[in-house]
Amino acid sequence: LAKTTQPISMDSYEGQEVNITCSHNNIATNDYITWYQQFPSQGPRFIIQGYKTKVTNEVASLFIPADRKSSTLSLPRVSLSDTAVYYCLVGDNFNKFYFGSGTKLNVKP
Amino acid sequence: DTAVSQTPKYLVTQMGNDKSIKCEQNLGHDTMYWYKQDSKKFLKIMFSYNNKELIINETVPNRFSPKSPDKAHLNLHINSLELGDSAVYFCASSHAQGNSYEQYFGPGTRLTVT
Repeated sequence: LAKTTQPISMDSYEGQEVNITCSHNNIATNDYITWYQQFPSQGPRFIIQGYKTKVTNEVASLFIPADRKSSTLSLPRVSLSDTAVYYCLVGDNFNKFYFGSGTKLNVKP
Repeated sequence: DTAVSQTPKYLVTQMGNDKSIKCEQNLGHDTMYWYKQDSKKFLKIMFSYNNKELIINETVPNRFSPKSPDKAHLNLHINSLELGDSAVYFCASSHAQGNSYEQYFGPGTRLTVT
């Protein structure tokens, strides 16, 4: 079970780019890196996943260095509605996913 | 159109009672899950289930039992409720095949045991 380490919390202001880094030193060859977002009183929502290099979708970008021991979720121009908890998960099987405590992002006006 | 729905949204009950939480998904997914999120916000998988296999997290007491009448439903039955069972329970679903790790979560059921 690949353990992940993320900052407990981050503060940002509207319009800024936010980068949340996750460490996963024990990532296995078959593991993918997946990020979820959770708003208060809601279930988590899938944001993005990747295996290596860079992945971009309409919501975020995911940067993964060659050694894959870390990854960075990049949120462009955040708004107040991006205030949420962001979870980094590593694994090749949902039963191996460990959500942990995530990173609580607080976006200020 | 709600993708993954759960009922009830809130459930307050006394210790020792038996209760069930229902989950339905209309996404055509073949795998469903139950998660527990405790007061510290840690989200832990309890079960994953598809037509072929039930996988149980070893830390889950046998008072908890999933029941799946069909692919679109996975209910959670809890016997002899305890104070420590108080938490938010999330149902989720996904496709079992491929390398996509996208799960769709329901809105959650907040269970309070008094």
